[in-house]
Amino acid sequence: EDQVTQSPEALRLQEGESSSLNCSYTVSGLRGLFWYRQDPGKGPEFLFTLYSAGEEKEKERLKATLTKKESFLHITAPKPEDSATYLCAVQAGDNKFYFGSGTKLNVKP
Amino acid sequence: GAGVSQTPSNKVTEKGKYVELRCDPISGHTALYWYRQSLGQGPEFLIYFQGTGAADDSGLPNDRFFAVRPEGSVSTLKIQRTERGDSAVYLCASSLQGAAIYEQYFGPGTRLTVT
Repeated sequence: EDQVTQSPEALRLQEGESSSLNCSYTVSGLRGLFWYRQDPGKGPEFLFTLYSAGEEKEKERLKATLTKKESFLHITAPKPEDSATYLCAVQAGDNKFYFGSGTKLNVKP
Repeated sequence: GAGVSQTPSNKVTEKGKYVELRCDPISGHTALYWYRQSLGQGPEFLIYFQGTGAADDSGLPNDRFFAVRPEGSVSTLKIQRTERGDSAVYLCASSLQGAAIYEQYFGPGTRLTVT
């Protein structure tokens, strides 16, 4: 069964305190792994696509990495405006997208 | 350019009523997805269109749910005989299928409340 699990469910950081979010997956025929940011009351906002193990993508304070079983979203020196829920999704061989439940990040000043 | 839009943003209806939720995808995007998101959960796949046809509707929970995309652009999700358990945020996303990039762009969602 295709499955995506994110951890931790919630994470509280002080401003400037770097950390990582985890997304582990089991899926048939991975086509891509996606990271999204979701603010309260809004739809998910696309951040990154990763296609193959070993790939890395960066954007400002965020860096996403991918292995054969999991992905990490590294947040370097976060700021309060980085507070949001971060969602991981995988696109399987059937073209469907399977989402994790997200990690709710709270960065305190 | 314009992103994905959804109307209405909020819908309150009584149990047993019929509702329609509309999605306007990004112009030129051939793939369109509907999801349902409950509080504290990630989006749950409902149905996927490629052009006008439903390529995969395996996520629709039962036959009260139906979606159409008659001209390959705007889509409508239809829910008959609504139940309180249908209350959730319904998200629509579109993507440029056929290209090397498959990321989805989401609309803001419609919050459905069944009383």
